Amino acid sequence: DIQLTQSPTFLSASVGDRVTITCRASQGVRNSLAWYQQKPGKAPRLLIHGASALQTGVPSRFSGGGSGTEFTLTINGLQPEDFATYYCQQLKTYPALTFGGGTKVEIK
Amino acid sequence: VQLVQSGAEVRKPGSSIKVSCKASGDPIVGFDISWVRQAPGQGLEYLGGIITAFGSTSYAQRFQGRVTITADESTSTAYMELRSLRLEDTAVYYCARHRLEMATVVAFDLWGQGTLVTVSP
Repeated sequence: DIQLTQSPTFLSASVGDRVTITCRASQGVRNSLAWYQQKPGKAPRLLIHGASALQTGVPSRFSGGGSGTEFTLTINGLQPEDFATYYCQQLKTYPALTFGGGTKVEIK
Repeated sequence: VQLVQSGAEVRKPGSSIKVSCKASGDPIVGFDISWVRQAPGQGLEYLGGIITAFGSTSYAQRFQGRVTITADESTSTAYMELRSLRLEDTAVYYCARHRLEMATVVAFDLWGQGTLVTVSP
């Protein structure tokens, strides 16, 4: 299976900050990568698919980039409701898809 | 459209569990559904999925032989059965709809609310 490594695993930031989360794949996944946001006690929410396509209804402060083995999720102007855990997911090898270990974004 | 899952369950080791996921607002036929679980304080883990239009299934290798995913078109409901339960199967189990682009799964765009399954002696 393709392994996804997210960094950092924990991030402390302030409202208004620009934050970037990285997801590295053990093999190339082209642009078959999605990003999710999860809040405590809630199901994940799709933010980005195809590495950079913003899901309908997701604020434009979220953006995704990269291809192959290195990907980023950037939040421009962190808002209070953005404090959550973020996961990447590769779907190139569906059904052998995999998730990253998650990045928790907390308030500084 | 919503995916509404069945309620929390407690099972003993060695037993089995069957969790349901009902699509409300739209027929499930033509929806591809996957199941993902999350152990307490842990990340997301894929179990497998079904293409409801064809009834074809696929499973993550580590769950092969222990999980079965089915769908009932008449009730727009998908099911996930996990057998030979172990303590480490304690988790929240989610169903999720595939987002397709040109017949390729690109993400999971709609999720159920989750079902807590507790395995306890």
